[in-house]
Amino acid sequence: AQSVTQLGSHVSVSEGALVLLRCNYSSSVPPYLFWYVQYPNQGLQLLLKYTSAATLVKGINGFEAEFKKSETSFHLTKPSAHMSDAAEYFCAVSTSGTYKYIFGTGTRLKVLA
Amino acid sequence: DTGVSQDPRHKITKRGQNVTFRCDPISEHNRLYWYRQTLGQGPEFLTYFQNEAQLEKSRLLSDRFSAERPKGSFSTLEIQRTEQGDSAMYLCASSAGLAGVNIQYFGAGTRLSVL
Repeated sequence: AQSVTQLGSHVSVSEGALVLLRCNYSSSVPPYLFWYVQYPNQGLQLLLKYTSAATLVKGINGFEAEFKKSETSFHLTKPSAHMSDAAEYFCAVSTSGTYKYIFGTGTRLKVLA
Repeated sequence: DTGVSQDPRHKITKRGQNVTFRCDPISEHNRLYWYRQTLGQGPEFLTYFQNEAQLEKSRLLSDRFSAERPKGSFSTLEIQRTEQGDSAMYLCASSAGLAGVNIQYFGAGTRLSVL
């Protein structure tokens, strides 16, 4: 069975500062990993995905994430936060042959002016 | 490609009433998923279809819940005898069903409030 843990339900950063959102996963088989963003009253938008190719994955809006098998982590980063990044971010895991996603509980990012 | 659309966006109902939600997936996608998201939580898997076949149901999906995808296109999720605990955002997603990684595209959701 797979699971996802997102440390920090709320993260605040200043505009222009580094964004780091943490995700740790558990999976008995090689995982596929995803980061989604959710703006208020909207659905989830895919930011980036890890599919066992490059361990450093670049996504939209300047976000990237690094898959670290030894740490079972897939943390999301962005060098410089923008006010428009304020949203809720979800990490999810899936595996080959299982179609459902298992999501973490989410991290709400607040960007301070 | 108009994305995944869900209708209605909001539904307010009284306890004990039945409600039905509709999801229209991306047109070429043969897999369709339903998730439920409660306040402060991530989406939780409810069920999924490949074409018209319902291939997996979560234990979260009680007997009061039923989902259909009659012609392998749109899907409906019905909740009978709604309870206050059913209040949540119901999200639909679809994917192309290709081999390997399965990327799901989400609709904006239907927010259900049970009074």
